[in-house]
Amino acid sequence: DTGVSQDPRHKITKRGQNVTFRCDPISEHNRLYWYRQTLGQGPEFLTYFQNEAQLEKSRLLSDRFSAERPKGSFSTLEIQRTEQGDSAMYLCASSSQGTWGYTFGSGTRLTVV
Amino acid sequence: TQLLEQSPQFLSIQEGENLTVYCNSSSVFSSLQWYRQEPGEGPVLLVTVVTGGEVKKLKRLTFQFGDARKDSSLHITAAQPGDTGLYLCAGAPSPSGSARQLTFGSGTQLTVLP
Repeated sequence: DTGVSQDPRHKITKRGQNVTFRCDPISEHNRLYWYRQTLGQGPEFLTYFQNEAQLEKSRLLSDRFSAERPKGSFSTLEIQRTEQGDSAMYLCASSSQGTWGYTFGSGTRLTVV
Repeated sequence: TQLLEQSPQFLSIQEGENLTVYCNSSSVFSSLQWYRQEPGEGPVLLVTVVTGGEVKKLKRLTFQFGDARKDSSLHITAAQPGDTGLYLCAGAPSPSGSARQLTFGSGTQLTVLP
């Protein structure tokens, strides 16, 4: 078990560009979450998958954000037309059904310049 | 909207001192978790408390869940520099509902000076 893996660890992009992040959860976990964390704040929920189905999406998430989890394995989070306000740490977590304990990845630090 | 408030926001103490951080809400949670996060890394789960009034110990860390399941505390005895980090509490909604995301507090940044 190698834990939750996120790639890349860091991403610097110009405003207006599209970016895509990848998350590989723990293989036995059927639930996968994306959170966003800005400096000095706790993680903020973005979206949640159970297997391949996206069951919840934050109302704070604009239409520029989209997430997928094909085949219920890895997941991708895409941000289109990035804005400076998108700069944050994007965290992926996974868990087993019936448990609340999340295992987080190390995150992807996005900087929009 | 369920909110969790953590206090203090920042805490700087000397090695060997004791400390308590608090996590409060006006909402009831089915369970509450504590995580520790180091710079540039994701949060790491320390403990989950489920029952009102529950107390759990993890070496020098003692976690308590309030009787009404609205608040929690983390007490560290004889703090060490390795305890330095951002401590986050997170509440889980009712398992009978459809929501599955955790609500996180804004964290307590602890610095233990040698």
